Amino acid sequence: NAGVTQTPKFQVLKTGQSMTLQCAQDMNHNSMYWYRQDPGMGLRLIYYSASEGTTDKGEVPNGYNVSRLNKREFSLRLESAAPSQTSVYFCASREGGEQYFGPGTRLTVT
Amino acid sequence: QKEVEQNSGPLSVPEGAIASLNCTYSDRVSQSFFWYRQYSGKSPELIMSIYSNGDKEDGRFTAQLNKASQYVSLLIRDSQPSDSATYLCAVNSGTYKYIFGTGTRLKVLA
Repeated sequence: NAGVTQTPKFQVLKTGQSMTLQCAQDMNHNSMYWYRQDPGMGLRLIYYSASEGTTDKGEVPNGYNVSRLNKREFSLRLESAAPSQTSVYFCASREGGEQYFGPGTRLTVT
Repeated sequence: QKEVEQNSGPLSVPEGAIASLNCTYSDRVSQSFFWYRQYSGKSPELIMSIYSNGDKEDGRFTAQLNKASQYVSLLIRDSQPSDSATYLCAVNSGTYKYIFGTGTRLKVLA
């Protein structure tokens, strides 16, 4: 039982490049989330998916897109990376009220 | 005004002492409250959830909730150097949205 997994762990992009961050959970949770964490700003919600087939914007969705591929997988795509998207990205899944986080992806955009 | 406020610290306590971490929130309809521990370079790990007024104990951890005063606290008894981390407070208002504080850094001195 791996919980929430994320790939890759680290990534460096040049401005304008695109990439997809992958997230998967094996806990059969309905809800999944993408957050970014920046120093001094705490965790901010990018997008969430209440259930398979639905996605909704969070606090900071600009520059991102998401896909809830099935119940297990929720991916985050950066179409044209910008230096302001340098951050640590966490995926989480939710059971009842409690969220469980993946190990994170550290992204640097130069 | 930030929706969830925490003192950034660092809060320094000697080994074996009680560490007291506090969090205030602004949304009166908040229903559920969570404490996460985050080691440097790692993801948030859920350590306590509390849903009703009063105290909830789990091992060395006690969460306290006072909805009238809009604060939630976390006490760590018999603090150990391994408790040194950043502690995040999170609040949920019954929707899919969670608001996180920026965290309090705890240092337990051996």
